Amino acid sequence: EAGVAQSPRYKIIEKRQSVAFWCNPISGHATLYWYQQILGQGPKLLIQFQNNGVVDDSQLPKDRFSAERLKGVDSTLKIQPAKLEDSAVYLCASSGQENYGYTFGSGTRLTVV
Amino acid sequence: AQSVTQLGSHVSVSEGALVLLRCNYSSSVPPYLFWYVQYPNQGLQLLLKYTTGATLVKGINGFEAEFKKSETSFHLTKPSAHMSDAAEYFCAVREGGGADGLTFGKGTHLIIQP
Repeated sequence: EAGVAQSPRYKIIEKRQSVAFWCNPISGHATLYWYQQILGQGPKLLIQFQNNGVVDDSQLPKDRFSAERLKGVDSTLKIQPAKLEDSAVYLCASSGQENYGYTFGSGTRLTVV
Repeated sequence: AQSVTQLGSHVSVSEGALVLLRCNYSSSVPPYLFWYVQYPNQGLQLLLKYTTGATLVKGINGFEAEFKKSETSFHLTKPSAHMSDAAEYFCAVREGGGADGLTFGKGTHLIIQP
């Protein structure tokens, strides 16, 4: 089966600019997650969707980060305006009903300069 | 809140030697536990997971882990290290309830000496 697709692979922006990341989960997976992985740390959950509804966004910096999952399939994560500390890899993951299997995409590496 | 502690940010072993990566967790409910591996510039690949049942879990690439509730541990082992095992390893615990995102440890970088 096809994996979790993410784009772009890399992005470099200046601080205060805006940026958006896209994720296409595994077909049929109802649950989608966005994680932030800062260099040298483990991934941190930002937001979880169940179909097109938000289940958990308690760690999402809502003053600058937003995410949506229209039609319960693809998702976008946006940062506006970006700060230097937002430099990280943004990972998307999806899971289905079976066995708590989480599949991760390759991530988008964001560098804010 | 659940948390994961991985002892040792870097572990170095010789090729052919035993690999032991330590993971301790805190959870107020029976946990689901995971080990992931991450190669440079790649996403996370699942090595193995514990949900219920047998506490000794076998995964891919010869890795296994044992869930020890009394010690709140889920250490990862491999009898004989291979050069291709060099990577970053993350232990994670599943949150409870409807919000089931993973909480990760900080990771352990495994170095294999020839």
